[in-house]
Amino acid sequence: AQSVTQLDSQVPVFEEAPVELRCNYSSSVSVYLFWYVQYPNQGLQLLLKYLSGSTLVKGINGFEAEFNKSQTSFHLRKPSVHISDTAEYFCAGAKDSWGKLQFGAGTQVVVTP
Amino acid sequence: GAGVSQTPSNKVTEKGKYVELRCDPISGHTALYWYRQSLGQGPEFLIYFQGTGAADDSGLPNDRFFAVRPEGSVSTLKIQRTERGDSAVYLCASSPQGADTQYFGPGTRLTVL
Repeated sequence: AQSVTQLDSQVPVFEEAPVELRCNYSSSVSVYLFWYVQYPNQGLQLLLKYLSGSTLVKGINGFEAEFNKSQTSFHLRKPSVHISDTAEYFCAGAKDSWGKLQFGAGTQVVVTP
Repeated sequence: GAGVSQTPSNKVTEKGKYVELRCDPISGHTALYWYRQSLGQGPEFLIYFQGTGAADDSGLPNDRFFAVRPEGSVSTLKIQRTERGDSAVYLCASSPQGADTQYFGPGTRLTVL
């Protein structure tokens, strides 16, 4: 069974509109949760992470995510996207904060004017 | 400062050949990770080093794959008798000891003809 599931493979969105990328995790595997972004022809870059504490996590570039233990979800949101947010977004989980990451399959976000 | 670098950026080889992929982590980072990303999928964990030793090699798919990190810095991923199914982008990441953020390199795209 997959440990981290991204429910949408592609999300088209208009510039300045809000976006939500869905991620569900297996509670038996993932305790620490991350969102990474991969811009075209670039390496993976950390957007935000949940380790403990507040369930609402704020990251770079105006992104935020909410950890929901009862629904085993860690959805990523941005209230207003820019063209430059066009990229692939990966949700990942880990048993240990320093351990191997288990990634979802990714969600391609395409922002159009 | 310099990020994680990987060489070569692209490697084309023939089925059955031997290849080596190199990763230079960020200076001072004790942890080093290798992942493999096939087309349309998220990165898949291969192996994790803490210093010179492999702390977790559970992701290596078979004994054709081997990785070393002899001096606790640069790492080499070695693939023997390459197969077409080995074609993927091989990613390297590093992090400081005990840290929760992995810093990724740009990857090496391996194509096996």
